[in-house]
Order: sequence, then C-alpha cells, then structure tokens
Amino acid sequence: DQQVKQNSPSLSVQEGRISILNCDYTNSMFDYFLWYKKYPAEGPTFLISISSIKDKNEDGRFTVFLNKSAKHLSLHIVPSQPGDSAVYFCAATDSGTYKYIFGTGTRLKVLA
Amino acid sequence: EAQVTQNPRYLITVTGKKLTVTCSQNMNHEYMSWYRQDPGLGLRQIYYSMNVEVTDKGDVPEGYKVSRKEKRNFPLILESPSPNQTSLYFCASSLNPSGAQETQYFGPGTRLLVL
Repeated sequence: DQQVKQNSPSLSVQEGRISILNCDYTNSMFDYFLWYKKYPAEGPTFLISISSIKDKNEDGRFTVFLNKSAKHLSLHIVPSQPGDSAVYFCAATDSGTYKYIFGTGTRLKVLA
Repeated sequence: EAQVTQNPRYLITVTGKKLTVTCSQNMNHEYMSWYRQDPGLGLRQIYYSMNVEVTDKGDVPEGYKVSRKEKRNFPLILESPSPNQTSLYFCASSLNPSGAQETQYFGPGTRLLVL
C-alpha cells in the first residue's frame, strides 16, 4: 500500500518555463512533507519542506504547495534550469513516529 | 567537511554470505536511518535510530539488522543475504530525534548485488 504516490514517472519542460511536480498521500497523520532531489550516482539532497500547518513555502525558485483536504502537495520550480534535471522524491512523516515514507520519484528533464 | 560516508560503495556477494555495510557521519547527528531504493518503488526505510542503543523498524526491516553502539556509526547487517536484497542502499542522518523538523543528509549510496 503506497502511502505516498508520485503518479508521473517523468516530466520534460523547456528551460525557463515552470516545472510542476505532484505528490499525493493517503495517511492523514502525516504532518511534515519534504522534497528531495537526486542526481545519478549521488545520494538525495534536501530541497524544501512544509509543515501541515502551512499551505505554502517558498525558497528562491522553489515553492511547495500543500492542500490538506485533497491530501496533495506540489513542487513548483520557476524558472526551470537545465541543472534542475534530476529525480525528485517527495516524502512524508508523522513527526510522532520518526518514520519517513517516500514516493517513487519523478524524473525531471529540463530541455535547453 | 560535513558528510555521511558509506562503505563499500559497490558489493557483489553470494546468497547466504553475511555482510555489513558501514555508515558513519561526522555531524554529531542523533538520528540515523537506512533506506533502499528499487525501480518503481522509490526509497523505502529499513531501520532508523533516534540515538545510541535506540533503534526501530522502518517499512521493510525483514532480513536486515542494525546496531547503534556509537553516535557516529550505524552499520547495516545482512546475516543471510538473498537475491531480493539486491538494491541501492542509502544511509542518512539528521540532527535530532524530532526528525521531521530536521532535514536528512544522505550518503552516496551502496550498490549491492546478491547472486
């Protein structure tokens, strides 16, 4: 039972345009959500996070939106750059458990 | 340099031969965790540790053991590896046990092939 789902395995976007990566979850106990970026042959690196008490968090070109009623979050990258080409994982946790559940990842390709 | 290191980076072994993958962090982090990454399944948590001598199961703990005798080290032990444990393994650490509020730093990964 996949509690965190990323339904798009891949996404291609032109340089300069907006990239939107989506993530859905099923467990209403999740109260903290994170996005990680992963390049080939490297470990994931943290990108941005959001607490369930917020609906938006921005950090430079990256914005995460959380819709709790829909159990949906999205990552917006504006403007997209070729260096953003990577696999993006969303993750969720119930902070009372210290367990993390990751999605299956979305491979983003930004075309120059 | 602050980092999480894993050894070995690549390992080929045979079914049933015990192996250990080491993980070490130099950031004085209390929380450490192991994940495996498989195609179509993303990252799945195997075990985690909130502090020395405190460990707990993640989502896929079967066939694995861990120990946390020192704060900096968190080895992953496969007592009797099987082919379904062929995977890419990541160790991660974060500052304090309230892991949700702290980002995890990941190691570079260990690619394991069990024949």
